[in-house]
Amino acid sequence: TQLLEQSPQFLSIQEGENLTVYCNSSSVFSSLQWYRQEPGEGPVLLVTVVTGGEVKKLKRLTFQFGDARKDSSLHITAAQPGDTGLYLCAGSSGTYKYIFGTGTRLKVLA
Amino acid sequence: DAGVIQSPRHEVTEMGQEVTLRCKPISGHDYLFWYRQTMMRGLELLIYFNNNVPIDDSGMPEDRFSAKMPNASFSTLKIQPSEPRDSAVYFCASSPLVGTEYGYTFGSGTRLTVV
Repeated sequence: TQLLEQSPQFLSIQEGENLTVYCNSSSVFSSLQWYRQEPGEGPVLLVTVVTGGEVKKLKRLTFQFGDARKDSSLHITAAQPGDTGLYLCAGSSGTYKYIFGTGTRLKVLA
Repeated sequence: DAGVIQSPRHEVTEMGQEVTLRCKPISGHDYLFWYRQTMMRGLELLIYFNNNVPIDDSGMPEDRFSAKMPNASFSTLKIQPSEPRDSAVYFCASSPLVGTEYGYTFGSGTRLTVV
């Protein structure tokens, strides 16, 4: 069974700080996605990475796919209260379904 | 586009009752997924359809759960009989294609409470 472990599980920081969350697995994924979920809503796709070592940027968010395609990281620069939410990674091994990680719950304090 | 539409948003039912959750995917999306989210287990894939055909139902917890997709614009997830441990948020998601840059578009979910 594929498992995606995310760390940290919870993170509370002050506005303006930087942070990194991690997504790790013992399995190789053909693609990996990051989502953000706000209370009472479904997850919203942020990015998809498909190539080992790939780096993608979305404004203040930087996503990296590990060289071996088993792990990924999400770095947020100068966090803002609007970044608060549950961050989920999801991996696919080439089938038509994604397995979701355990999630990192981020709170950014003003 | 109105996005993925789920109904009801909230459902409270008594143990043993039948529960039906509904989903309208985005028009033109060929894939539809049902997920369940709990604090303990996170987001779990229950079943997914491609062109209205169930492809993988290995995540369906037991025979009390069933899902149908009679046409491209409608799907249901039914629990009969319901049990307190079925309490969770159930999400429907659709996608035009999977395994590439296309991600899932999720609905807002149905929060199910079985008492």
